[in-house]
Amino acid sequence: DIQVTQSPSSLSASVGDRVIISCRASQSISRFLNWYHHKPGEAPKVVIYGATSLQSGVSSRFSGSGSGTDFTLTISSLQPEDVGIYYCQQSFSTVCSFGQGTKLEI
Amino acid sequence: EVQLVESGGGLVQPGGSLRLSCLVSGFTSEDYALHWVRQTPGKGLEWVAGITWNSATIAYADSVKGRFSISRDNVKKSLYLQMSSLTMEDTALYYCVKDMSTDNYFYFMDVWGQGTMVTVSS
Repeated sequence: DIQVTQSPSSLSASVGDRVIISCRASQSISRFLNWYHHKPGEAPKVVIYGATSLQSGVSSRFSGSGSGTDFTLTISSLQPEDVGIYYCQQSFSTVCSFGQGTKLEI
Repeated sequence: EVQLVESGGGLVQPGGSLRLSCLVSGFTSEDYALHWVRQTPGKGLEWVAGITWNSATIAYADSVKGRFSISRDNVKKSLYLQMSSLTMEDTALYYCVKDMSTDNYFYFMDVWGQGTMVTVSS
């Protein structure tokens, strides 16, 4: 099965900072990599799909890049509502998998 | 409005069984793949199982394979998860999730329910 590993596991940044979260797959997954934002008490929401596509309704300060095994999620200017846990998820294999999560704090 | 409403969670003893249901509305559910994803306090999000629109592709996480069974009834607009041989490690909030795929593969998860809690304890 394909494993996805995120880094860092936690991150503290200031409002306005540029934030980068990384995700590495155990084998090539082309661009079948998605990013989700999970706030406590809420259901997760997709932010980026297909490695680089911004989900409708999501702020343009979010962007994704990468292909193959290495991917990044970038928040260009951190806002207070961006706190929470970010997960990457691969759908290259029918046996899907999530990364362990990156907790983002301000 | 697209909605996924889970039910069937509760307290069950180790070794027991439970069946979760998810009623979908607000979209043509029979066109899309669906998943079960669980959240545990210590391990974050864990994908459990997925099923494509026509049930041609069904997949399970290794941690539940052989114990859980995912199915769907497109007429009833419902998704199910039959869980057996439950252990304390299965204690989690279980989400029903819609996938954007209309084909025999999975793509990304665009709509999530609010979840139903399963607690395995004696």
